[in-house]
Amino acid sequence: AQSVSQHNHHVILSEAASLELGCNYSYGGTVNLFWYVQYPGQHLQLLLKYFSGDPLVKGIKGFEAEFIKSKFSFNLRKPSVQWSDTAEYFCAVENDSWGKLQFGAGTQVVVTP
Amino acid sequence: NAGVTQTPKFQVLKTGQSMTLQCAQDMNHNSMYWYRQDPGMGLRLIYYSASEGTTDKGEVPNGYNVSRLNKREFSLRLESAAPSQTSVYFCASSEVGRGPYEQYFGPGTRLTVT
Repeated sequence: AQSVSQHNHHVILSEAASLELGCNYSYGGTVNLFWYVQYPGQHLQLLLKYFSGDPLVKGIKGFEAEFIKSKFSFNLRKPSVQWSDTAEYFCAVENDSWGKLQFGAGTQVVVTP
Repeated sequence: NAGVTQTPKFQVLKTGQSMTLQCAQDMNHNSMYWYRQDPGMGLRLIYYSASEGTTDKGEVPNGYNVSRLNKREFSLRLESAAPSQTSVYFCASSEVGRGPYEQYFGPGTRLTVT
């Protein structure tokens, strides 16, 4: 079955630390890739997306993600986190069925002051 | 511009009761979606509507029905609620096609079935 895996369910780190969240998917064909974020008490919003072209994608709030096709991965990174980055992060994959997103289980990130 | 709105925000049901969750979007999007979010499972697609007049099953459709009332509105109905349907429900909308298109999410409905 097709799946999206996020390796870490819960991450705790200090302000100014670097963040990397892993995401792997199992689709074999063309995919569109997304990272969404859900801040406490808010609804999901898009951080960044990849369709084609440069595999290093930059998003909002200093986040970036790298698509590595050979590894079926789309990892999210931020060089220096802030307390306001405390949130749940979801990787999502759209394959041939346009609009039908498959989400990962999510990673809860807690940034301590 | 309200984006995607959902009502109600919270609901408690007894097993066997029915209810309808309402969703509306004002972005003139063709596609609308219903998801449920459960701890440790991310978001799972219940039903979606690629355009007005069409609906299709997602990953977890059992126990639910939907109606695409018009381009703006997409409702989700639980005919006979079960404790397994305790969840947070999100509606979303987007354009559709060879995008990728961002999905815009509503604030969610927290449903508890006792």
